[in-house]
Amino acid sequence: GAVVSQHPSRVICKSGTSVKIECRSLDFQATTMFWYRQFPKKSLMLMATSNEGSKATYEQGVEKDKFLINHASLTLSTLTVTSAHPEDSSFYICSARFVSTDTQYFGPGTRLTVL
Amino acid sequence: AQSVTQPDIHITVSEGASLELRCNYSYGATPYLFWYVQSPGQGLQLLLKYFSGDTLVQGIKGFEAEFKRSQSSFNLRKPSVHWSDAAEYFCAVATGNAGNMLTFGGGTRLMVKP
Repeated sequence: GAVVSQHPSRVICKSGTSVKIECRSLDFQATTMFWYRQFPKKSLMLMATSNEGSKATYEQGVEKDKFLINHASLTLSTLTVTSAHPEDSSFYICSARFVSTDTQYFGPGTRLTVL
Repeated sequence: AQSVTQPDIHITVSEGASLELRCNYSYGATPYLFWYVQSPGQGLQLLLKYFSGDTLVQGIKGFEAEFKRSQSSFNLRKPSVHWSDAAEYFCAVATGNAGNMLTFGGGTRLMVKP
């Protein structure tokens, strides 16, 4: 149980385009999901907290107009990188909070490369 | 604000040897503590967690960790390492509520020699 999926696993796009990444909790409902960013050989940095039915809470320094988060259902949160630039290239990982164990379970990550 | 320190960036051990990965945290109260493992290009898998009670917790894959309040530490151990344990290990803390946002340490890369 407590499986989280992400789609796509890898995406390459041109500079200036937008990319949407989906995060799904497959076998549980998640009122709260989190989006992290991981640079090569680095740790995970929290970007935002996504709450179902309300606006996401962004960490300091994260541009909310660039990284749009939508948590429209109890099993799906999406991250849209708008007008992507090469510096947005990174590994994006989501997690979903499993309420009954109060634990976050992580998706497999999405590798974004912006050319 | 809370912080997590993993002093060892890289550790190399021989297969079959014991392992201890260090984790120190900074927080005024007792945090909720986690260890995750990440294989290259993959997401994170939960190894174990500590919320309260017995300070020695058992996890998956033969790992255990001990919470020591006096040392603000939550070190991960395994008595005999297998080659498949080679990966990146992250210690993390949540404060206020176990399901809150996680603050991660910098990670420790484990390499296993045959």
